Amino acid sequence: DAKTTQPNSMESNEEEPVHLPCNHSTISGTDYIHWYRQLPSQGPEYVIHGLTSNVNNRMASLAIAEDRKSSTLILHRATLRDAAVYYCIQRSGGTSYGKLTFGQGTILTVHP
Amino acid sequence: DTEVTQTPKHLVMGMTNKKSLKCEQHMGHRAMYWYKQKAKKPPELMFVYSYEKLSINESVPSRFSPECPNSSLLNLHLHALQPEDSALYLCASSQGLLAGPRETQYFGPGTRLLVL
Repeated sequence: DAKTTQPNSMESNEEEPVHLPCNHSTISGTDYIHWYRQLPSQGPEYVIHGLTSNVNNRMASLAIAEDRKSSTLILHRATLRDAAVYYCIQRSGGTSYGKLTFGQGTILTVHP
Repeated sequence: DTEVTQTPKHLVMGMTNKKSLKCEQHMGHRAMYWYKQKAKKPPELMFVYSYEKLSINESVPSRFSPECPNSSLLNLHLHALQPEDSALYLCASSQGLLAGPRETQYFGPGTRLLVL
């Protein structure tokens, strides 16, 4: 999996939207973007993934730029339970597609 | 049931001990993984099993020995570890590697290991 770039940390207030950016300038046409998060003292948890178009699920939305070199994870209304490290991962096909290569991630702090 | 369980939650061992970590899933997944996570660092892949066969070993020292006795169970046998091996050991599973880069992984809560 190729390297992605995320801000080290971000802060938000409770019940406000949060936009977590990720750059993946080396993405190829068949690479997917995945987001996982890790709450304190827990294992990582899948959030969302996408290829080209925007994606929504019950946890979040994923907005992928038209050139696919960046994406944004959107939490529509942050809660205190959303405080976690958020990892953006560029996943490739091929023989190594079993691998999840985590970058440093973004530490999200949510203020009451 | 979308849970991956890991036992024990915590483990303290000496450098001459032999211990094992256990991971279990009942989601019918055919790929299972071991990751190592040092404090304030991201998880790093150690091993991947696909259909009970080892498919990826990320050049892990031989003092870590994985085993996949059946499709639901994954063990990590530990022997002659060093203090720098102290970390959180995470197990994960996924449907199967044939799903390709869309596939998602389900993680357990981890075993926190301290080597004295």
